[in-house]
Amino acid sequence: QSALTQPPSASGSPGQSVTISCTGTSSDVGGYNYVSWYQQHPGEAPKLLIYEVSKRPSGVPDRFSGSKSGNTASLTVSGLQAEDETDYYCSSYAGSNSPYVFGTGTKVTVL
Amino acid sequence: EVQLLESGGGLVQPGGSLRLSCAASGFTFSNYAMSWVRQAPGKGLDWVSSISAGGRRSTYYADSVKGRFIISTDNSENTLYLQMNNLRAEDTAVYYCAIPQVAGKGRLDYWGQGTLVTVSS
Repeated sequence: QSALTQPPSASGSPGQSVTISCTGTSSDVGGYNYVSWYQQHPGEAPKLLIYEVSKRPSGVPDRFSGSKSGNTASLTVSGLQAEDETDYYCSSYAGSNSPYVFGTGTKVTVL
Repeated sequence: EVQLLESGGGLVQPGGSLRLSCAASGFTFSNYAMSWVRQAPGKGLDWVSSISAGGRRSTYYADSVKGRFIISTDNSENTLYLQMNNLRAEDTAVYYCAIPQVAGKGRLDYWGQGTLVTVSS
């Protein structure tokens, strides 16, 4: 199972929005509504931001939102804040033999 | 509170073996599927292996580790293991154990702090 494709970098000014894409295939992103997004600060474990395409775990601000169209999922961070500057990874379920296929990762910079 | 604490990482020569442990607490261990995810230095996340919930757990492996790594659990000790054999330089990474919410699919809600495995001569 190949990694999902994310842009290496994205950026925005404080208060603006940034959207990160995550492109897979009909065998993963397009075939299941089990896309997740993770935020990872340097030296820390990943943190779940979004699950099942667009749902937020308790405690995650509503500035973070997810969507999907066909084989591409997206994460939008609205009202960018300095603490949002870090790495983001998508993940998709691709069947019981490949329960987690991760994206290549995107570094978000707050200008 | 869910806690996952990995241990067992270290420096090992190519071809060697290592066993990682993940001590779990704060939840009913046997009710949860559990996974290992690794991250090579400066690289992205990479799923390694998963084990299903229940008494008779099914196991799943990434192609890159199939035949070399074995995932298992000790339900009496609330501990997840990863036996890593025939290690290669490309296995060098921080190894995280992680779990979803009960019956959650495609999501990893809780993560340990990770343990570093370095494969080098």
